Amino acid sequence: TQLLEQSPQFLSIQEGENLTVYCNSSSVFSSLQWYRQEPGEGPVLLVTVVTGGEVKKLKRLTFQFGDARKDSSLHITAAQPGDTGLYLCAGASGAQKLVFGQGTRLTINP
Amino acid sequence: KAGVTQTPRYLIKTRGQQVTLSCSPISGHRSVSWYQQTPGQGLQFLFEYFSETQRNKGNFPGRFSGRQFSNSRSEMNVSTLELGDSALYLCASSPTLGGTDTQYFGPGTRLTVL
Repeated sequence: TQLLEQSPQFLSIQEGENLTVYCNSSSVFSSLQWYRQEPGEGPVLLVTVVTGGEVKKLKRLTFQFGDARKDSSLHITAAQPGDTGLYLCAGASGAQKLVFGQGTRLTINP
Repeated sequence: KAGVTQTPRYLIKTRGQQVTLSCSPISGHRSVSWYQQTPGQGLQFLFEYFSETQRNKGNFPGRFSGRQFSNSRSEMNVSTLELGDSALYLCASSPTLGGTDTQYFGPGTRLTVL
């Protein structure tokens, strides 16, 4: 069974601080997706990383896929209250079902 | 394009009853997946349908079932409801089978079992 572990599960920081969320597995994935979910809504895709070692930037968000394609990280620079939400990583392997991590609930305090 | 729609948005049932949830995927998407989301367990995969056939299944009891129609709309049914079935049920559509494509999620159906 493929599992994805996210850490930390909860994170509350002040506006302007930096943070990193981790997504780890013992399994290899063909790609890793990051989603953000806000209250009352379904998750929305932020980015997909496919190549080992790949780094993608989305404004103040930086996503990295591990060299062995078993782990990923999300780094937010100068966090803002609008970044508040549940961040989910999900691993894909061909035609298999998508495997989701438990999520990191992020709160950015003004 | 219109997004994924789910009906109803909220539902309250009592133990022992059954419930049917509906999902309309994005036009042109042939894959529909269902997930159960709870604070304790996170997002748990229920099943995936593609071209009216169940292609992947998660580790849920047989009380959870689903189907997909020729227009790709999908329904999931939960029979003999238990208190532990209270959750947010999310459906997601994608153009192809499996997880490599982006999953487009609906807003979910919040089920409360009393």
